[in-house]
Amino acid sequence: KAGVTQTPRYLIKTRGQQVTLSCSPISGHRSVSWYQQTPGQGLQFLFEYFSETQRNKGNFPGRFSGRQFSNSRSEMNVSTLELGDSALYLCASSLVADFSTEAFFGQGTRLTVV
Amino acid sequence: GESVGLHLPTLSVQEGDNSIINCAYSNSASDYFIWYKQESGKGPQFIIDIRSNMDKRQGQRVTVLLNKTVKHLSLQIAATQPGDSAVYFCAENMGYKLSFGAGTTVTVRA
Repeated sequence: KAGVTQTPRYLIKTRGQQVTLSCSPISGHRSVSWYQQTPGQGLQFLFEYFSETQRNKGNFPGRFSGRQFSNSRSEMNVSTLELGDSALYLCASSLVADFSTEAFFGQGTRLTVV
Repeated sequence: GESVGLHLPTLSVQEGDNSIINCAYSNSASDYFIWYKQESGKGPQFIIDIRSNMDKRQGQRVTVLLNKTVKHLSLQIAATQPGDSAVYFCAENMGYKLSFGAGTTVTVRA
């Protein structure tokens, strides 16, 4: 069974640009959540999608958005990039929406903003 | 900060010895916990989980202990190997997200 796939693995963007990251969950998983990982803040929750609906959102500005498609694949978008957005962005998939079962992570997308 | 925290940021262990990684949580209503291992350049890898109706759960070379009285979680790794060198995170189910501790970096000495 394939794991969680995130693309691209690496990105370099300039301040002010926007970026779209993609996540394909494990087959059969309908919940996808996104996290930002930085050395200073650790793993911070961005948002969670289940059945194409955003159920929960973390404490991030509106520049961070996402969506989920009918096949459960998810994308997140960051607009007007800032240097502080440089981070490893991780997505996790799980079977159910309430985080009461195993959540499996992808390899992440390393975003560098210059 | 988040409600889940680890006691020590780093742990150095002799190869072959047992490792114990600790984690404290603050939400007494939390009912599900996960330990993850993250190697350099990779995403967190699921190791083992435990529910609040259990005190102990064993996997392959790993054991997780849950003490709800003092809201403490630990991960024990038996016969630590070089491949166990990584950052270990505990995560707590908050119902609407997983909340992660800061992580413990385990270094295995040959």
